[in-house]
Amino acid sequence: DAGVTQSPTHLIKTRGQHVTLRCSPISGHKSVSWYQQVLGQGPQFIFQYYEKEERGRGNFPDRFSARQFPNYSSELNVNALLLGDSALYLCASSLAGTSARGGSTDTQYFGPGTRLTVL
Amino acid sequence: AQSVTQLGSHVSVSEGALVLLRCNYSSSVPPYLFWYVQYPNQGLQLLLKYTSAATLVKGINGFEAEFKKSETSFHLTKPSAHMSDAAEYFCAVSPPANAGGTSYGKLTFGQGTILTVHP
Repeated sequence: DAGVTQSPTHLIKTRGQHVTLRCSPISGHKSVSWYQQVLGQGPQFIFQYYEKEERGRGNFPDRFSARQFPNYSSELNVNALLLGDSALYLCASSLAGTSARGGSTDTQYFGPGTRLTVL
Repeated sequence: AQSVTQLGSHVSVSEGALVLLRCNYSSSVPPYLFWYVQYPNQGLQLLLKYTSAATLVKGINGFEAEFKKSETSFHLTKPSAHMSDAAEYFCAVSPPANAGGTSYGKLTFGQGTILTVHP
């Protein structure tokens, strides 16, 4: 079975531009999460989507937005790019967004990431 | 808010030696805990997870971790290091049950520990 796929693998943009990153989850998974990993740091949570609805949001500015499509794939959009947005953007999929009580034991399976460089 | 601290950004061991990577968490109630491994230019792969069942968790590639509530720790060990274990390792927590709010599906990662294995 195919794992989580992301496109493109690498991207170079200039400050002020807009970027769209794409993610396809593992077949049967209904939840997609996005993380930003700056060089030398651990991934930082950006969003989680489940059944096309935003279920979680990290501490990122409104320049970051995302959506999930009926086939459960997802896009991450970043407007007005800054140099500090340069990072590896990771997508993760899981079966469901959360347990009924709020915590989640679902394993998140990560894709290979999109390396974004902002010049 | 939850947090994770990984003690030691770099750990170096000889092939065949014990691997010990340290992780301490901060949470008012025991969270769910994970260890992921990241090889260069790749995404994250789950090694093991703790979800309030057995406190000693066995994972892939001979790794295991023990949840110690009294020490708020979840250290990763492997009895005998192999050259192929060289990678970066991340400890992560997800919200405990009843977390609610906007924390659905959020994994909070430590800053990572780079493991080097010498022949």
